[in-house]
Amino acid sequence: ETGVTQSPTHLIKTRGQQVTLRCSSQSGHNTVSWYQQALGQGPQFIFQYYREEENGRGNFPPRFSGLQFPNYSSELNVNALELDDSALYLCASSSWGGREQYFGPGTRLTVT
Amino acid sequence: EDQVTQSPEALRLQEGESSSLNCSYTVSGLRGLFWYRQDPGKGPEFLFTLYSAGEEKEKERLKATLTKKESFLHITAPKPEDSATYLCAVQAYYGQNFVFGPGTRLSVLP
Repeated sequence: ETGVTQSPTHLIKTRGQQVTLRCSSQSGHNTVSWYQQALGQGPQFIFQYYREEENGRGNFPPRFSGLQFPNYSSELNVNALELDDSALYLCASSSWGGREQYFGPGTRLTVT
Repeated sequence: EDQVTQSPEALRLQEGESSSLNCSYTVSGLRGLFWYRQDPGKGPEFLFTLYSAGEEKEKERLKATLTKKESFLHITAPKPEDSATYLCAVQAYYGQNFVFGPGTRLSVLP
């Protein structure tokens, strides 16, 4: 059984730039959720994707957007990066209706 | 609004010194309460799911319990390798997302 994978591991961007983060879900899982975790805080829900459509969104502006592909992998796109976007971005996969979410290792984004 | 608080914020224990971590929650219809362990710079690792008040789950030195307003993670005779941040999260019946608490940073000294 393959776990959740994310790429890249680390990323450094400049304020105003755009970034794309990628996630492959665990085998057998068709739902992907994205979270932002600032240093010293718990993860904050960004949005969830199921059947290639957004299914729920947290309190994040529209410059945070995503995609899900037919193989259930997903992308998180952030436009017009701000310094406060510096965080660990986590992807979690689950089966639709399943209660447990399994997390990937995260992508550490630094905005300078 | 669903909320999760955790206490203490940080905890230092000597190896073998048992203790408990607290997770207090407010949610409109609890679908599940989840405990995760997170090592620095890594993704959370799933530990337990609790569904209803009175339920208990155990794994090695860890035992999780649930009441209608809070959950406890009991650590018995901890070892240095138990050092990590322990996160608590709740999921409501009306949503798919998890609401996380800020975590408790546990340090176990040899």
